[in-house]
Amino acid sequence: AQKVTQAQTEISVVEKEDVTLDCVYETRDTTYYLFWYKQPPSGELVFLIRRNSFDEQNEISGRYSWNFQKSTSSFNFTITASQVVDSAVYFCALSDPGVNNAGNMLTFGGGTRLMVKP
Amino acid sequence: GAGVSQSPSNKVTEKGKDVELRCDPISGHTALYWYRQRLGQGLEFLIYFQGNSAPDKSGLPSDRFSAERTGESVSTLTIQRTQQEDSAVYLCASSLGWGPPYEQYFGPGTRLTVT
Repeated sequence: AQKVTQAQTEISVVEKEDVTLDCVYETRDTTYYLFWYKQPPSGELVFLIRRNSFDEQNEISGRYSWNFQKSTSSFNFTITASQVVDSAVYFCALSDPGVNNAGNMLTFGGGTRLMVKP
Repeated sequence: GAGVSQSPSNKVTEKGKDVELRCDPISGHTALYWYRQRLGQGLEFLIYFQGNSAPDKSGLPSDRFSAERTGESVSTLTIQRTQQEDSAVYLCASSLGWGPPYEQYFGPGTRLTVT
């Protein structure tokens, strides 16, 4: 069965601090995709990144970086020099097309609420 | 360009009433998904459409839930005889294609409150 666990339900940091959001996943398949989405207070989910299981290269996009480690089934997300506008709920998600009939269905973690204080 | 839109944005209904939630996907997107987000929780997959076909309805919480899609456009999620546990935000997403995961674009959601 697929499962995504985000153990940190809530994190509070002060602006300019670095913060890492943890994501651990479970899947039986060797081909799968991992995602991060941001949900600001407005409620609309914003896509941040997609990573396939064959690409373990870490990725950096501005202040965002992602660390994918298959050995520990983790796909952690780091925000460097956090800003107040980063305050949101962040979701990690897994798509495991080979296991179910729902193809692109996303299995979401419970989310981590990040609060960045000025 | 226009994103995924959903209506209504908020719906308050009395227990036992039926409700219809609407999703307009991005034009040209063949795949459409419905998710439910209970307060303070992650998203729970409900159903998907490939074109106007829904191959797998097992994610729907009960037989009170049903969904339809007209061609590759509008979809409606209907909840009959609403219960208080149906209160949640219902999110719709669409993606350009099928198979290897295309990015899903989410709408703003419909907040349903059953009193």
